Amino acid sequence: GAVVSQHPSRVICKSGTSVKIECRSLDFQATTMFWYRQFPKQSLMLMATSNEGSKATYEQGVEKDKFLINHASLTLSTLTVTSAHPEDSSFYICSARDQSPGRIARAQYFGPGTRLLVL
Amino acid sequence: QKEVEQNSGPLSVPEGAIASLNCTYSDRVSQSFFWYRQYSGKSPELIMSIYSNGDKEDGRFTAQLNKASQYVSLLIRDSQPSDSATYLCAVKPGGGNKLTFGTGTQLKVEL
Repeated sequence: GAVVSQHPSRVICKSGTSVKIECRSLDFQATTMFWYRQFPKQSLMLMATSNEGSKATYEQGVEKDKFLINHASLTLSTLTVTSAHPEDSSFYICSARDQSPGRIARAQYFGPGTRLLVL
Repeated sequence: QKEVEQNSGPLSVPEGAIASLNCTYSDRVSQSFFWYRQYSGKSPELIMSIYSNGDKEDGRFTAQLNKASQYVSLLIRDSQPSDSATYLCAVKPGGGNKLTFGTGTQLKVEL
């Protein structure tokens, strides 16, 4: 299957700082990527859909000014958690669908996730 | 009614048995169906996809889809302790771009 990487895998930061998480599709093109958040023992929650070359689409209740998404190329999307607070501590996971030319984009592949702890 | 429903479990099966995981969905025009496995503390891993009615087999895994009943299932044959994880059912609607996930079923394979 297609490979999606995320960096960093784990980050600890102080309250009020900003944290950037990178998501890369390693062997395919992804015009659309997805950002999820998962709290312990809870299900995946879609935060936003990242669109290459245009603005992200945020789910209801997700603050776009707090969670900045940039999708500058066909293989890279970034999520920046601005002015992070302890309640932002969570497992952030990106996902991408293989949308290379000629491929039927169906299956969605997940990155390994980034565990964020805000002190 | 939730869009994608799964029994949260835990579902406990003995090693070597068949584990049967079920999922129902509400959107009749859904076209694509996926099963993901998520180990504790890890991200979801795609294990099966199915797009048409019937069965699809891949190794010890069989996905079954019945669009008339809006039902998709995953069978795991010869269950192993390493199969112990949460299994997420995901559905992609016909005209949409996003996957809708169920809350997952926790499977425990006991020695």
